[in-house]
Amino acid sequence: QQKVQQSPESLTVSEGAMASLNCTFSDRSSDNFRWYRQHSGKGLEVLVSIFSDGEKEEGSFTAHLNRASLHVFLHIREPQPSDSALYLCAVMTNSAGNKLTFGIGTRVLVRP
Amino acid sequence: EAAVTQSPRNKVAVTGGKVTLSCNQTNNHNNMYWYRQDTGHGLRLIHYSYGAGSTEKGDIPDGYKASRPSQENFSLILELATPSQTSVYFCASGGTGGGSQNTLYFGAGTRLSVL
Repeated sequence: QQKVQQSPESLTVSEGAMASLNCTFSDRSSDNFRWYRQHSGKGLEVLVSIFSDGEKEEGSFTAHLNRASLHVFLHIREPQPSDSALYLCAVMTNSAGNKLTFGIGTRVLVRP
Repeated sequence: EAAVTQSPRNKVAVTGGKVTLSCNQTNNHNNMYWYRQDTGHGLRLIHYSYGAGSTEKGDIPDGYKASRPSQENFSLILELATPSQTSVYFCASGGTGGGSQNTLYFGAGTRLSVL
């Protein structure tokens, strides 16, 4: 069964400083990776999707996938206090029925 | 953007009672999912569906049933609610195929308390 782990559990950064989040997965056949954001008490908002090794940028969010090392990273460029939220890594294997497996999340606090 | 609507948004139930959580999507997505979110566990898949009339067990199906009477609607049913089912429940819909076609779009969540 797919295992998805995220680190760190929480992260505090200053406004405008780069924030970097890490996600590791266990199934090498995984081929579909997403980062979601969840503000307190709200639903999930998809930030960036990536399907092949390398980088994918969406606005101020960049995902970096390295399947050989079983890692997918999220970098947040110049974060604002409004980016304070829970960030969730989600991994899917298309051949396994399009089911998403989530990590527990990294809680990010952006200080003004 | 995809629209997934959950009802109710908040629910208080008694132990042993029956609870039905409803989800409606207007995107004509084939796939629908029910997750619960708990501190320390993240989101865990309860049931999912590939289309009207189909339901599949997810990773934690015990104590839950699901119903997909139409393309648009997917319900989660707790026949005998227990306090351990107190949680926030999320419904999602997504397309089939690979790549961006199967992005999952989530509803706003239902907060369920079983007393």
